[in-house]
Amino acid sequence: QLQLQESGPGLVKPSETLSLTCTVSGGSISIISSYWGWIRQPPGTGLEWIGAISYGRNTYYNPSLKSRLHISLDSSKNQFSLKVYSVTAADTAVYYCARDPGFRYDDWGQGTLVTVSS
Amino acid sequence: QSALTQPASVSGSPGQSITISCTGTGSDVGGYNYVSWYQQHPGKAPKLIIYDVSKRPSGVSNRFSGSKSGNTASLTISGLQAEDEADYYCNSFTSSPSFVFGSGTKVTVL
Repeated sequence: QLQLQESGPGLVKPSETLSLTCTVSGGSISIISSYWGWIRQPPGTGLEWIGAISYGRNTYYNPSLKSRLHISLDSSKNQFSLKVYSVTAADTAVYYCARDPGFRYDDWGQGTLVTVSS
Repeated sequence: QSALTQPASVSGSPGQSITISCTGTGSDVGGYNYVSWYQQHPGKAPKLIIYDVSKRPSGVSNRFSGSKSGNTASLTISGLQAEDEADYYCNSFTSSPSFVFGSGTKVTVL
């Protein structure tokens, strides 16, 4: 069973960049048929899909967020990362990383809360 | 992109069956057989319970079943148990391409 763990700052100032990393253990991130995704959940509300990346570095993003996103993958560290630019309070959420073996997310990290505030 | 539409809450007594609907469009739910369902208990990460409309991952109870008709997918929980009290979210692949989640349904066991 794969394990995923999010890491990064818990507090980000408005207009700055939110940066998170997901470390994968118990298996290789270089699984050709898998995508690696990010999902977030603002406090007290529902899930929002952010975007995903494949081992081959193919990416696809939520159209509503695309202009402010960048997802990358570092196979040497078994990690993938998320950057959200020009954050506002609306980006405050629990951020999850997860594995997509084929149009679903079956392994999830525990989530990390990121608060946008000055 | 707009969230798929789910009822805000559904309730049932132990042993009963309940159904949660998930309504989208022809560009997501209606266009692909890539609908999945997730169960989320408070403070926990979501857990996959149904994928590809009606398939169950290994280890998930057969009390959970999924189906789809047109632009609406459904999750049925039969033999409702106290441990089923949680939030449930549908998810669909879209033509963008991207994924979109449902608005979420709180299930209460009376």
